[in-house]
Amino acid sequence: EAGVTQSPTHLIKTRGQQATLRCSPISGHTSVYWYQQALGLGLQFLLWYDEGEERNRGNFPPRFSGRQFPNYSSELNVNALELEDSALYLCASSFPSGANVLTFGAGSRLTVL
Amino acid sequence: TQLLEQSPQFLSIQEGENLTVYCNSSSVFSSLQWYRQEPGEGPVLLVTVVTGGEVKKLKRLTFQFGDARKDSSLHITAAQPGDTGLYLCAGAKTTDSWGKLQFGAGTQVVVTP
Repeated sequence: EAGVTQSPTHLIKTRGQQATLRCSPISGHTSVYWYQQALGLGLQFLLWYDEGEERNRGNFPPRFSGRQFPNYSSELNVNALELEDSALYLCASSFPSGANVLTFGAGSRLTVL
Repeated sequence: TQLLEQSPQFLSIQEGENLTVYCNSSSVFSSLQWYRQEPGEGPVLLVTVVTGGEVKKLKRLTFQFGDARKDSSLHITAAQPGDTGLYLCAGAKTTDSWGKLQFGAGTQVVVTP
């Protein structure tokens, strides 16, 4: 069974540009979560999607946005990139009930120059 | 500001030694989880504890949730090189916020043969 897949693996952008990251959940999982893992800061919760709806949002500015498609895959968009947006962006998925079981993907490494 | 403080930040031990990693907070959590993350991969869930005072054992790993549900510890007996990795604790504030986890900054454990 395929795990959570994320693309691209690596992405290099310059300040002010936009970045789009993609996530495909495990088959049968309908909830998707996005986390930012910046150096030395640990994982920070970004977004949570359930059945296509945004269920919860972390303390990030509005230039961080996303969506979930009918096939439950998800996209994270970061506009007006800043240097401090450089981080590993991790996607996780779970069944609707959650049951505290999140499965993470390997992440997308975003570098902003 | 990290709600969950992990200590130590880094731990280097010889194969066969024991180690303990701590996760502390001034906040109460509904549940607490431990993950292990290896380079180039996402975090992998090791255990979830939900009851104050709970102790769970997984082979050589022992996890404890504090009585007040504010802290936790991970103890590894007779560590092996395969235990090397970044250990992360993560807590959910309420029973319905399992996807909005608060993570500690992590403890990097290195076990040398």
